[in-house]
Amino acid sequence: GIQVEQSPPDLILQEGANSTLRCNFSDSVNNLQWFHQNPWGQLINLFYIPSGTKQNGRLSATTVATERYSLLYISSSQTTDSGVYFCAVEGGSSASKIIFGSGTRLSIRP
Amino acid sequence: KAGVTQTPRYLIKTRGQQVTLSCSPISGHRSVSWYQQTPGQGLQFLFEYFSETQRNKGNFPGRFSGRQFSNSRSEMNVSTLELGDSALYLCASMGSTEAFFGQGTRLTVV
Repeated sequence: GIQVEQSPPDLILQEGANSTLRCNFSDSVNNLQWFHQNPWGQLINLFYIPSGTKQNGRLSATTVATERYSLLYISSSQTTDSGVYFCAVEGGSSASKIIFGSGTRLSIRP
Repeated sequence: KAGVTQTPRYLIKTRGQQVTLSCSPISGHRSVSWYQQTPGQGLQFLFEYFSETQRNKGNFPGRFSGRQFSNSRSEMNVSTLELGDSALYLCASMGSTEAFFGQGTRLTVV
């Protein structure tokens, strides 16, 4: 099945800093999503982005499907951005099931 | 539009007991998937149901089972609970492109 690797595993930044989170995947995908897991455990949808670039406020994401990676950019970080960010893909032999990366734990210090 | 509803939110069970978790997907969504999240194993796919049929299954023992009703609501059952079953169980309501997650059920086995 598809392998999903996220980097870095942990990231500690000061408020106001910018960050880039990376997701590499091992096979072609039909679907790629970025999620933010809040302290209560819920996965919040950030982007559905199997290819191309999208922006939503301070967050943006780019997926280069031909090179099998996706990037999540967070600008002007706020303490509320803290949490775990997951990349999740669906495709190939993993069709109809979502495969998650191991996540990037982001800590924003005031 | 109501989101994904999981009940109960928290559960404490004793080893050897069984447990049933419930998930009501977003209205109109016919596919429901279940995931287990543990600190050691991350987010792992359990199974997916579409129109009352199990369409895909992860690598979990037979103690883990599920079903889906005609109104798309889904339940998962874990029999003969083990300490290692302690986890956050997340349900995903699958749209045509994106997955939307509930708040999860946090199960503790003592």
